[in-house]
Amino acid sequence: GESVGLHLPTLSVQEGDNSIINCAYSNSASDYFIWYKQESGKGPQFIIDIRSNMDKRQGQRVTVLLNKTVKHLSLQIAATQPGDSAVYFCAETPSGSARQLTFGSGTQLTVLP
Amino acid sequence: EPEVTQTPSHQVTQMGQEVILRCVPISNHLYFYWYRQILGQKVEFLVSFYNNEISEKSEIFDDQFSVERPDGSNFTLKIRSTKLEDSAMYFCASSWTGHNEQFFGPGTRLTVL
Repeated sequence: GESVGLHLPTLSVQEGDNSIINCAYSNSASDYFIWYKQESGKGPQFIIDIRSNMDKRQGQRVTVLLNKTVKHLSLQIAATQPGDSAVYFCAETPSGSARQLTFGSGTQLTVLP
Repeated sequence: EPEVTQTPSHQVTQMGQEVILRCVPISNHLYFYWYRQILGQKVEFLVSFYNNEISEKSEIFDDQFSVERPDGSNFTLKIRSTKLEDSAMYFCASSWTGHNEQFFGPGTRLTVL
């Protein structure tokens, strides 16, 4: 069936280190992927997106990598800061439509001082 | 920076009562969405709305749910007869097109007693 899942439910990193959050998806028709950050009591906040015609996209301190061969998505955060502590969700949509996002179950990132 | 707003932030209601959750999407966006997140679970798609009609809806969005854009700025979700299992965070989102990132509001916490 169609699913988007995360490999690890929790991740702890030292402040200043790089973080890598992984996501697996099973719908081969998915061609648009988004990473969201959700802080406690708030709505999901857009971080970065990538379409299936790309395998890498960079933003400010964040990089998303897409491996369509193994249906794997990752979010890399450089020089992780305390403010990066949150739950990170990957989300995907099939067939070029961003209308219906399917979210993964989330990874809790904790940045240690 | 424009943002999606939602009211109220917390709604408490008795089982069987009707509730209306309100959202003001980003002003130049054309696509509107409702999602929900039961405590501790992933964000789930409910419905998308474009050009004054529903574009897509999930199995969760049954006859108890309806959406409306009563004027040029508001987007509402109505639950006709609430059930205990409707207790969740409800997020409104909007996007410029159906093919790019969705921006989420802060959510309304619905508690059904």
